[in-house]
Amino acid sequence: AQSVTQPDIHITVSEGASLELRCNYSYGATPYLFWYVQSPGQGLQLLLKYFSGDTLVQGIKGFEAEFKRSQSSFNLRKPSVHWSDAAEYFCAVGGTYKYIFGTGTRLKVLA
Amino acid sequence: GAGVSQSPRYKVTKRGQDVALRCDPISGHVSLYWYRQALGQGPEFLTYFNYEAQQDKSGLPNDRFSAERPEGSISTLTIQRTEQRDSAMYRCASTPGGGGDLSYNEQFFGPGTRLTVL
Repeated sequence: AQSVTQPDIHITVSEGASLELRCNYSYGATPYLFWYVQSPGQGLQLLLKYFSGDTLVQGIKGFEAEFKRSQSSFNLRKPSVHWSDAAEYFCAVGGTYKYIFGTGTRLKVLA
Repeated sequence: GAGVSQSPRYKVTKRGQDVALRCDPISGHVSLYWYRQALGQGPEFLTYFNYEAQQDKSGLPNDRFSAERPEGSISTLTIQRTEQRDSAMYRCASTPGGGGDLSYNEQFFGPGTRLTVL
């Protein structure tokens, strides 16, 4: 069965600290992988995506993610978190057309 | 240019009433998707269209849910005889292409409609 697991429901970090949000997937074919961010009152904004090629993907707002096929993971990272990064983050896997989302990780940033 | 828009942004209704949720995709986008997001969950696929043709409605939970896109642009998701369990955020997304290879079809999401059934 196709699925996405985000094991951390909530994460709290201090501003300036590094961040890693975990994502594991189960998918029968070559996965297309995405990270989205959802701020209050806003739609889902794409941070980055992986289709093929270099397994380290750079995204917007200083985020990056690394695809590790052997671990079925696509973890999101940022070296230094800003207060404005507080939001909910969703990992998703896509096939032909529809996306399968994880349950999300809510990030809180301490000043 | 304008992104995906949805209306209303918030809808409160009484159990048993019908509701219609509207999605206006990015101009020229071929494919349109509906997702439902319950509280504390990620979005779940409901249905999608290429132009006016509904390609997959396997995610619609039951026959009270229907969707249409009669002119291949604006879409309406209708829920008949609403129940409290229908309360959720309903999201719409559109893509430039016609489905198939996702590498050419990033989904752009609207702000969602928050539906509350009392």
